[in-house]
Amino acid sequence: GIQVEQSPPDLILQEGANSTLRCNFSDSVNNLQWFHQNPWGQLINLFYIPSGTKQNGRLSATTVATERYSLLYISSSQTTDSGVYFCAAGNSGNTPLVFGKGTRLSVIA
Amino acid sequence: EAGVTQSPTHLIKTRGQQATLRCSPISGHTSVYWYQQALGLGLQFLLWYDEGEERNRGNFPPRFSGRQFPNYSSELNVNALELEDSALYLCASSRTGLVGGDEQFFGPGTRLTVL
Repeated sequence: GIQVEQSPPDLILQEGANSTLRCNFSDSVNNLQWFHQNPWGQLINLFYIPSGTKQNGRLSATTVATERYSLLYISSSQTTDSGVYFCAAGNSGNTPLVFGKGTRLSVIA
Repeated sequence: EAGVTQSPTHLIKTRGQQATLRCSPISGHTSVYWYQQALGLGLQFLLWYDEGEERNRGNFPPRFSGRQFPNYSSELNVNALELEDSALYLCASSRTGLVGGDEQFFGPGTRLTVL
């Protein structure tokens, strides 16, 4: 089945800094999602982006399906951005989303 | 529009007991997915239901089971609880998973503790 790898595993930023999180996947996909898991465990949908580029405020994402990777950009980071960011990918019916191991982001004031 | 809901929020059981976790999907969604997240780890796929049928199952023992009701809500049952079953159990829903590609939305989770 599809494999999903995220990098870096951990990231510490000063408030106001920018960052790029990467997600590599091993096969073509028709579903690619980015999530932010808050300290209480809730998974918040950030982007549904099997291809192309999207932006939402300080966050943006790009998926290059032909090269099998997706990037999540966080600009002007805030302490509330701290948490774990997960990438998940899927490529057909009857198979579930496969999650990467996540990137743990800590933004310090 | 209400999101995915799960109950209970927390559940404490002892070894050997049974646990039942419940999930209500977003209105209009027919697929429900269950995931297990042990402390500090990633999400592991457990079960997927669509239109009342089990569509796929992760690499978990048979004591993990569930069902989906006609109103598309779902329950996850864990029998003969073991200490390592302690985890956050997350439920997600999507319009339908049968053709792939549908965005999944997650509930707040049930934190199961086995003593």
